[in-house]
Amino acid sequence: EVQLVESGGSVVRPGGSLRLSCAASGFTFDDHGMSWVRQVPGKGLEWVCGINWNGGSRNCVDSVKGRFTISRDNAKNSLDLQMSSLRVEDTALYYCARGLRGVDSWGQGTPVTVSS
Amino acid sequence: DVVMTQSPLSLPVTVGQPASISCRSNQSLVSSDGDSYLNWFQQRPGQSPRRLIYKVSNRDSGVPDRFSGSGSGTDFTLRISRVEAEDVGLYYCMQGTHWPPTFGQGTKLEIK
Repeated sequence: EVQLVESGGSVVRPGGSLRLSCAASGFTFDDHGMSWVRQVPGKGLEWVCGINWNGGSRNCVDSVKGRFTISRDNAKNSLDLQMSSLRVEDTALYYCARGLRGVDSWGQGTPVTVSS
Repeated sequence: DVVMTQSPLSLPVTVGQPASISCRSNQSLVSSDGDSYLNWFQQRPGQSPRRLIYKVSNRDSGVPDRFSGSGSGTDFTLRISRVEAEDVGLYYCMQGTHWPPTFGQGTKLEIK
């Protein structure tokens, strides 16, 4: 069974930094691209960043480019999202998801609150 | 970015009746490889999203066959042949053809 378990969400001040992690199990991790998708409470879904199977290709949406960095460690079956210069509008539930063009499995999410 | 527009945004349905959600993109979703990366997700209250349909019309494993997807180019539809109480929740389309992937606004299905 595919399992994606996120961690690292917290309350942080504007301008602060946070690192989210996702532990993957139940599948061959390096066979898949991976994504981070976020959801503001009560709102829709927004794809944030994605990375291909070996980390050689990665990209993020313009609103977080230069502030967020996605990375993966295939030896540890883990996916990370390093977030810096956080803004109030980054407040959301952050999901780790398997896939790029059609994410097929999701974690339960980890909440990030940016507030002074 | 590709804009995905869903309608309706609210969908009250009687149990046992059919339901249909439209999703339109402002660019063709046909990829250079010939596939159209149009997905449908269901998000039940308090749960993570779950993919129902990928590449327009392919049902994911374990998805009841009352769910079906169709369409091409810029115009896509999710159909539920007979709505059940457990189908309550939000439904999102998502395109993965163009970078970055983008989602529709979501359609809230409720039981009348």
